[in-house]
Amino acid sequence: AQSVTQLGSHVSVSEGALVLLRCNYSSSVPPYLFWYVQYPNQGLQLLLKYTTGATLVKGINGFEAEFKKSETSFHLTKPSAHMSDAAEYFCAVSVVNDYKLSFGAGTTVTVRA
Amino acid sequence: DSGVTQTPKHLITATGQRVTLRCSPRSGDLSVYWYQQSLDQGLQFLIQYYNGEERAKGNILERFSAQQFPDLHSELNLSSLELGDSALYFCASSQTGQGAVGYTFGSGTRLTVV
Repeated sequence: AQSVTQLGSHVSVSEGALVLLRCNYSSSVPPYLFWYVQYPNQGLQLLLKYTTGATLVKGINGFEAEFKKSETSFHLTKPSAHMSDAAEYFCAVSVVNDYKLSFGAGTTVTVRA
Repeated sequence: DSGVTQTPKHLITATGQRVTLRCSPRSGDLSVYWYQQSLDQGLQFLIQYYNGEERAKGNILERFSAQQFPDLHSELNLSSLELGDSALYFCASSQTGQGAVGYTFGSGTRLTVV
């Protein structure tokens, strides 16, 4: 079965600084990878996803992630943090013909003024 | 607005009671998924329905049940509630029954058992 591990349950960054959230996956077949964001008291919103093709994926709100098969990673980055980026971020994995997404434990991002 | 509608948004009930959570999927989506989110367990997959039929079960307790109706809305029934059932319950939908396409989530129902 496939799974993801998010490294770091909390990340604190200064406004304007780089945001880097780490996600490593485990899968015996090619994975489909996702990043979701959850703002307080809201549901999960899809930021971006990797299925096949280009390994650098651009998402909403200036986020991007790079699929690195050799490192089994799918880290999420944003060059310059904004106060509105404060939220919880979830990495998720699925594979072809699988019914579900498997989520990581989540990383809470705090942005300091 | 994601297009997935969950009602009610908040629910407070006593131990031992039974509640029903409702979900209307996004227009055109045939599959509905239920997840439970708690501080200690994170996001746990409960159950999936596709076009009215149960497709997969996850970590769903026997006290919990669900169904998807012909109009594709779904209900999650929680009975004999315990304090530990307090959590956020999310519904998500997708066009197909496969996770690979990603889900669209509703805003959740926050259940508090007192």
